[in-house]
Amino acid sequence: GDSVTQMEGPVTLSEEAFLTINCTYTATGYPSLFWYVQYPGEGLQLLLKATKADDKGSNKGFEATYRKETTSFHLEKGSVQVSDSAVYFCALSPGGTSYGKLTFGQGTILTVHP
Amino acid sequence: NAGVTQTPKFQVLKTGQSMTLQCAQDMNHNSMYWYRQDPGMGLRLIYYSASEGTTDKGEVPNGYNVSRLNKREFSLRLESAAPSQTSVYFCASSEGQGGSYNSPLHFGNGTRLTVT
Repeated sequence: GDSVTQMEGPVTLSEEAFLTINCTYTATGYPSLFWYVQYPGEGLQLLLKATKADDKGSNKGFEATYRKETTSFHLEKGSVQVSDSAVYFCALSPGGTSYGKLTFGQGTILTVHP
Repeated sequence: NAGVTQTPKFQVLKTGQSMTLQCAQDMNHNSMYWYRQDPGMGLRLIYYSASEGTTDKGEVPNGYNVSRLNKREFSLRLESAAPSQTSVYFCASSEGQGGSYNSPLHFGNGTRLTVT
């Protein structure tokens, strides 16, 4: 079945550092890929998305490129802020009628210090 | 807009007790979902409702029941709680075919449930 693997956390960075959170997936067909973010005490919010190979999703300074050859969707940000501290989830949605049947990675906790 | 509202925020149950988790959305979305979040396991789909009047099982439905009361509300019931159901429960909604590229999920803030 489909699966998503994220890098182990937690990740601790200083403000203005470069961020990479690795995500690789296994899926049949042509899934769509997502990054969701969960701030403390809140539900998940969509951060960015990509639907086909070589698509780049971007939002709030974060980027991720859909790499079909390496089955990856790594999240990057050039300069993190304290306000980026959160849990980040990589997820995939299969093609066709998926109806919320997202497959999530286990989540990566990011803490950014001033 | 309130978005997706879940109640209660916290709940402690004893093994064998029952309870209902409530969820309501004010975005006029067609589809609604219940997920559970466990440490190191991401989120897993319990049940979903593609439209008013329909419900279907997700990945981990055992021990749960749901009711799509109307377009706005989707409740999750635990008939006889077990310690394995200790988790954080999230309700979500989407305009159409949820989880797809053009219809992302909107989540509530969660209910933290402990079963002793």
